[in-house]
Amino acid sequence: AQSVTQPDIHITVSEGASLELRCNYSYGATPYLFWYVQSPGQGLQLLLKYFSGDTLVQGIKGFEAEFKRSQSSFNLRKPSVQWSDTAEYFCAVNAGYGGSQGNLIFGKGTKLSVKP
Amino acid sequence: GVSQSPSNKVTEKGKDVELRCDPISEHNRLYWYRQTLGQGPEFLTYFQNEAQLEKSRLLSDRFSAERPKGSFSTLEIQRTEQGDSAMYLCASSSWSDPYEQYFGPGTRLTVT
Repeated sequence: AQSVTQPDIHITVSEGASLELRCNYSYGATPYLFWYVQSPGQGLQLLLKYFSGDTLVQGIKGFEAEFKRSQSSFNLRKPSVQWSDTAEYFCAVNAGYGGSQGNLIFGKGTKLSVKP
Repeated sequence: GVSQSPSNKVTEKGKDVELRCDPISEHNRLYWYRQTLGQGPEFLTYFQNEAQLEKSRLLSDRFSAERPKGSFSTLEIQRTEQGDSAMYLCASSSWSDPYEQYFGPGTRLTVT
């Protein structure tokens, strides 16, 4: 069965520092991968997605992610975080094709705290 | 965007509740997810237009969802239990880009 693992429950970084949030997936075929951000009181917002092609994808708010098939990973990165990046981040994989088109399987999330 | 109502609902155990989702108007796909504390969202059910195409095993017989005329959707929970307390999220996507889902702000359900 498909699954997503986010090994870090909570990460704290200082403003201006670089960031990498880890995501590992289990999926039999080429996955469709996503990163979402959830700020307090806000809905989930799509940061970026990977379907195929270039394994380094750029997203909104200065985020990027790299798909590594050999490591079954899709880690999220940002060169310099801002206090406003404080939020919870979810990695997700598309559940499959046919009757399961579109529904996402999410990891448990990583809470990011940015110290000013 | 996607809207959901109510934003918060507190109900007593055993009562029925109905949650509503209004998707982005041109989106033909609609999804319901449930999110509990410390967890990521978990898929409940999915509509393409008015047809309910898939239901998760998380959706017990006490849960029913509808999407009349392929527009808004309702999620009804009968005889609520304390374990139903969660954030219920709705998302929608378009025919042309089914994998990019736009989420609503959610309905926080508390069963006392």
